[in-house]
Amino acid sequence: GQQVMQIPQYQHVQEGEDFTTYCNSSTTLSNIQWYKQRPGGHPVFLIQLVKSGEVKKQKRLTFQFGEAKKNSSLHITATQTTDVGTYFCAAGAGSYQLTFGKGTKLSVIP
Amino acid sequence: DGGITQSPKYLFRKEGQNVTLSCEQNLNHDAMYWYRQDPGQGLRLIYYSQIVNDFQKGDIAEGYSVSREKKESFPLTVTSAQKNPTAFYLCASSIGSGYTDTQYFGPGTRLTVL
Repeated sequence: GQQVMQIPQYQHVQEGEDFTTYCNSSTTLSNIQWYKQRPGGHPVFLIQLVKSGEVKKQKRLTFQFGEAKKNSSLHITATQTTDVGTYFCAAGAGSYQLTFGKGTKLSVIP
Repeated sequence: DGGITQSPKYLFRKEGQNVTLSCEQNLNHDAMYWYRQDPGQGLRLIYYSQIVNDFQKGDIAEGYSVSREKKESFPLTVTSAQKNPTAFYLCASSIGSGYTDTQYFGPGTRLTVL
């Protein structure tokens, strides 16, 4: 079925540094959703991207959908300890259900 | 207070026993899902249901069974046929069953088979 590759798998950053996670597909996607899972918690929806080249911002978080709708990125500016967790992308394409990436686990060193 | 509840939070079972995980939602959502989460593996879809009395297999349905007799409830049974049942199980729901619908997750059940 549909596969989405998410990189990196792990990222350790010093507090205040920027962070980016990438989600890539070999096929054209209909949409991308991003979720955050805090340690010991459950995934929580952050945002959805639908249009080619779409860029959305939530405070220090910037989400992009590629022009070809085959990739997406989540960028966090000036990370804080509250950003710790695993970030998942979830893609819709072809099949009826969302396909989740394996996630990027972010650690922030104070 | 709307949401999804899963119980229990932690569950221990002996090898060879079937075990049923509960999932209840009061969001009036039509679609419900079960995912399995293993370290470094992301979320893998086990079963999903788009409407009452109907459900479909996901990517890793072998060794699992579900029922959807009520809109609010979508229990998952982990059978003795599941070779590696120890995992974190997440239930989710969405208002519709399309991939543009936001999924809302329950707190999860961590199952350990001894």
